[in-house]
Amino acid sequence: DTEVTQTPKHLVMGMTNKKSLKCEQHMGHRAMYWYKQKAKKPPELMFVYSYEKLSINESVPSRFSPECPNSSLLNLHLHALQPEDSALYLCASSFPRRGNTGELFFGEGSRLTVL
Amino acid sequence: AQTVTQSQPEMSVQEAETVTLSCTYDTSENNYYLFWYKQPPSRQMILVIRQEAYKQQNATENRFSVNFQKAAKSFSLKISDSQLGDTAMYFCAFMKLSLVGNQFYFGTGTSLTVIP
Repeated sequence: DTEVTQTPKHLVMGMTNKKSLKCEQHMGHRAMYWYKQKAKKPPELMFVYSYEKLSINESVPSRFSPECPNSSLLNLHLHALQPEDSALYLCASSFPRRGNTGELFFGEGSRLTVL
Repeated sequence: AQTVTQSQPEMSVQEAETVTLSCTYDTSENNYYLFWYKQPPSRQMILVIRQEAYKQQNATENRFSVNFQKAAKSFSLKISDSQLGDTAMYFCAFMKLSLVGNQFYFGTGTSLTVIP
């Protein structure tokens, strides 16, 4: 199994809603990432979890709240978002640290629209 | 800090022809990895090819090959016998090994269109 699965594929929410994005991988990876991507732009790193601990937070607003319940799951909780938060949210995983080639495996993304 | 530069925002190539996408990077690291990722309009980012910095031999994957010039900090991607399915955004990426989780730096991307 070499997949990273993200749900939902599409999400439309109002600025007062609370929703969550989910990501799952069963490749034994111990590093999981959230990226935000605008059209025709590179992914922007939001958060990194390494061995289920938050290791990198790229100064993301608190309306985005990540959670890593176990080594296979990664959630992104959304609350009081702004229209400019509309984007494709990509989850990725990799083997962390040294000793592996370490490339990122990406999910298909969740297309978020904030009204 | 690491930076990755892709100087060609858009490119096009005739089907069956060869095209080269350029990428340069800046780093003080000696041990790192470089990648080319492809993102078709269907949006999933897919790894095309990887290169370990300590390897002098250029990586090859079927129709895709790289020209890795470590001293010049250059990492170009050559696509031979271009196919319509190669139409996509291509991102060059630099990976720095880290104890807190490998860190990735992406270029701004090149939008490649293969013309029938």
